[in-house]
Amino acid sequence: GESVGLHLPTLSVQEGDNSIINCAYSNSASDYFIWYKQESGKGPQFIIDIRSNMDKRQGQRVTVLLNKTVKHLSLQIAATQPGDSAVYFCAETKRSNYQLIWGAGTKLIIKP
Amino acid sequence: GAVVSQHPSRVICKSGTSVKIECRSLDFQATTMFWYRQFPKQSLMLMATSNEGSKATYEQGVEKDKFLINHASLTLSTLTVTSAHPEDSSFYICSVHGTGGEKLFFGSGTQLSVL
Repeated sequence: GESVGLHLPTLSVQEGDNSIINCAYSNSASDYFIWYKQESGKGPQFIIDIRSNMDKRQGQRVTVLLNKTVKHLSLQIAATQPGDSAVYFCAETKRSNYQLIWGAGTKLIIKP
Repeated sequence: GAVVSQHPSRVICKSGTSVKIECRSLDFQATTMFWYRQFPKQSLMLMATSNEGSKATYEQGVEKDKFLINHASLTLSTLTVTSAHPEDSSFYICSVHGTGGEKLFFGSGTQLSVL
């Protein structure tokens, strides 16, 4: 069941503005990083990924930045839309086994 | 279209009964599948890694006799929650890693409620 007092970090953004969601990863040996979007009652949906030999990767309206020095990952969403409302998780893994280590998640709320 | 089919999406059962959840890979052969559980407002927790044709590898603290995993073919893995109790109520999610691809694909999840 749910732990008492547990809550997801929340980011509120005005519709149309850019969103930046941050994540600190734990294992310096991880070589593959993924951002997922999860809507209520659904499984995680792949957004974008990046290998450890890159520091930036762009998709459609999304950009992932990787800073291995400080073990930091960020997801930038341009021109945030109401449909972007969800919980966003970062995940790290090694491509040798693909066992994901998940971040805590950030709830993105879009203000009209 | 969907790459992974997970069924059922929601199940309500009485305490003491067993529940089977299926995870099917639709587009490719999946040598490895992963099973997760997720409590409200929390992240996913890996329960076990399911390898086709061999015994599943369970994470520490996950009872293998409680959560039976069968990966009998390259397209199907099942998770059976045996003698379910209310504390087993959770959202269960499978994911698939194909033989050629790099991305992991997730099922839509199963919400289990044990009364």
